[in-house]
Amino acid sequence: NAGVTQTPKFQVLKTGQSMTLQCAQDMNHEYMSWYRQDPGMGLRLIHYSVGAGITDQGEVPNGYNVSRSTTEDFPLRLLSAAPSQTSVYFCASSYRGASTTEAFFGQGTRLTVV
Amino acid sequence: ELKVEQNPLFLSMQEGKNYTIYCNYSTTSDRLYWYRQDPGKSLESLFVLLSNGAVKQEGRLMASLDTKARLSTLHITAAVHDLSATYFCASNFGNEKLTFGTGTRLTIIP
Repeated sequence: NAGVTQTPKFQVLKTGQSMTLQCAQDMNHEYMSWYRQDPGMGLRLIHYSVGAGITDQGEVPNGYNVSRSTTEDFPLRLLSAAPSQTSVYFCASSYRGASTTEAFFGQGTRLTVV
Repeated sequence: ELKVEQNPLFLSMQEGKNYTIYCNYSTTSDRLYWYRQDPGKSLESLFVLLSNGAVKQEGRLMASLDTKARLSTLHITAAVHDLSATYFCASNFGNEKLTFGTGTRLTIIP
């Protein structure tokens, strides 16, 4: 089972460039989310989706777009990269409502903006 | 404001010793999660605590939840080097969005 797959694992961008971080899950989970991890700040929620066609903002959404056209995929788009977006990005998926639900995380994408 | 606070942020322990990591959260939550992260790796789920008084144990790690005090603890018994990692707690505050603490970087010293 693949679980949650993120690509790429590493990326270097120049300021102003755009790119899409890919996230796919094969567990038929309704809920998917994107987090960024910065030193000393834990993980912060960027955007999330409760199902295909439904997305919403998290704690730090500025500079990022998402869409959810299928249950499996939840790409994160950086519109115009800035050095402040240098971070490690994690995608997660979970199923809603189950008493023992937990979030499964991808392996992360380490992004450097120069 | 939804907040999750962990302490300590850094912890150096000698092998064989016991210690506890504390996780306080700001408002009602129906689930409390503990994750482990090794350097350069993803997050690995350790425990999901669902109700007041819940206690879960796996090997040398034991997690508990006190919803009245809005406090969860992760207790480490007789620490070994393999437990060196960063530990995060997170709360869902009644929905599927997780709010994470800043993490506790644990180093086990021989």
